[in-house]
Amino acid sequence: EAGVTQFPSHSVIEKGQTVTLRCDPISGHDNLYWYRRVMGKEIKFLLHFVKESKQDESGMPNNRFLAERTGGTYSTLKVQPAELEDSGVYFCASSQELHSYNSPLHFGNGTRLTVT
Amino acid sequence: DAKTTQPNSMESNEEEPVHLPCNHSTISGTDYIHWYRQLPSQGPEYVIHGLTSNVNNRMASLAIAEDRKSSTLILHRATLRDAAVYYCILRATDSWGKLQFGAGTQVVVTP
Repeated sequence: EAGVTQFPSHSVIEKGQTVTLRCDPISGHDNLYWYRRVMGKEIKFLLHFVKESKQDESGMPNNRFLAERTGGTYSTLKVQPAELEDSGVYFCASSQELHSYNSPLHFGNGTRLTVT
Repeated sequence: DAKTTQPNSMESNEEEPVHLPCNHSTISGTDYIHWYRQLPSQGPEYVIHGLTSNVNNRMASLAIAEDRKSSTLILHRATLRDAAVYYCILRATDSWGKLQFGAGTQVVVTP
C-alpha cells in the first residue's frame, strides 16, 4: 500500500508569507494527525482529525495555523502569516481504526519549513 | 501524561544484539508501551507495542518488567539500517493518536 505522502518536501518562505502544507494519508485511514519538530526540540502533537472533524486540536500553537480536511481525505495545514519560530519539520500521520488506541500511526517523511 | 526516560545514545556493532532500556515508573495500569524509531530524514516508524506480556514481531522484541515500570526493546541482530533514534512512548487508552515523544535514544551501529 502507498504510504503517507506529504508535499512539498521542503519549503522556504519569508516571514509574513503564507505556506500551505499538504498531507495524503493512507487510503481508508480515518485518523489523520499533524505533528512538528521545531529546531532543537522534540516532536510535538498539533492536532487530530477523525474523518473530516477535528477530534483534538490542543497542540495548535496559535491562530496563525489552520488545518483542514475537507471530505475526510487529504489534509492541509496553512500557516499565515509565517514567523521565524515556525521553522521546523511538519509530519503528518494516519491510522486506521477509529476507536483503537493501539492502532499504529504511519508517518510521512515530513515537510521541512524554513522561514527567513 | 506519564513520562519515559531513555539513555541519550547507545552504540552497537553490526550483527550484535542491541538492548534499549526505557524507564516509566509512573505508568498507569492502562498505559500501553509503544516504540517508534526515526531513521535519518524520515518520519517516525512504528516498531512494536505491548501491555504486560513480552512481544515479538519481525522487527524487534519487547520485554516488559513484571511491575511494568521499565521495558527493553531488543534488536536481535543490528544492521546498519537500524541506526536511528528510538522512542519509547506510553499511550493511554484515552489518548487516541496523541503521542508524546521524548528525546529518544540515538542508536549508532558500527560495521
